[in-house]
Amino acid sequence: QSALTQPASVSGSPGQSITISCTGTSSDVGRYNFVSWYQQHPGKAPKLIISEVTKRPSGVSNRFSGYKSGNTASLTISGLQADDEATYHCCSYAGNAISIFGGGTKVTVL
Amino acid sequence: QLQLQESGPGLVESSETLSLTCTVSGGSIITSDYFWAWIRQAPGKGLEFIGTVYYSGSPSYNPSLKSRVTFSVATSKNQFSLKLSSVTAADTAVYFCARQAVAATDFDYWGQGTLVTVSS
Repeated sequence: QSALTQPASVSGSPGQSITISCTGTSSDVGRYNFVSWYQQHPGKAPKLIISEVTKRPSGVSNRFSGYKSGNTASLTISGLQADDEATYHCCSYAGNAISIFGGGTKVTVL
Repeated sequence: QLQLQESGPGLVESSETLSLTCTVSGGSIITSDYFWAWIRQAPGKGLEFIGTVYYSGSPSYNPSLKSRVTFSVATSKNQFSLKLSSVTAADTAVYFCARQAVAATDFDYWGQGTLVTVSS
């Protein structure tokens, strides 16, 4: 399986909304509603922010939202804040107990 | 609060075997609701799924690493381990252990990660 495709970088000004795409295939993103998103600050472990395409774990800001259409999943961050500057990783279940990650997207708050 | 902590050598010689252990505290590794996972991140790169293991065994490996990876579980110590054989410089990475939900497949708890450098 190949890694999911994410843009290398996305930027936005404070208060704006940005969307990060995550493109897979009909064997992973398109087949299963098991797409998750992770936020990773430099030198830190990833943190789960979206589960099962759209679900936010307890304690995660409602400024983060997830969506999926066909083979592409998306993460939207609304009301961009300085602390949102981080790398965001998508992940999809691909069957047979295998998960696939994207290459990560670095978000810059201008 | 569940915590995971990776441990093992930070430097491994090329062609040797990389060995890491993840110690779980604040909860039992014996659970039917979760798998225990290894994920790595090469410097400046994205995350790579290595595989998962259930508390009773039954590992699942990334096909790209399957020939070199072995997982094991020590329930009495609340630990699970990774062995990666015949390492090369391409295996230099931060290695994370994590908990994966069986139902949702997401990784909800992570260790802090440990950098393993393969020297030639």
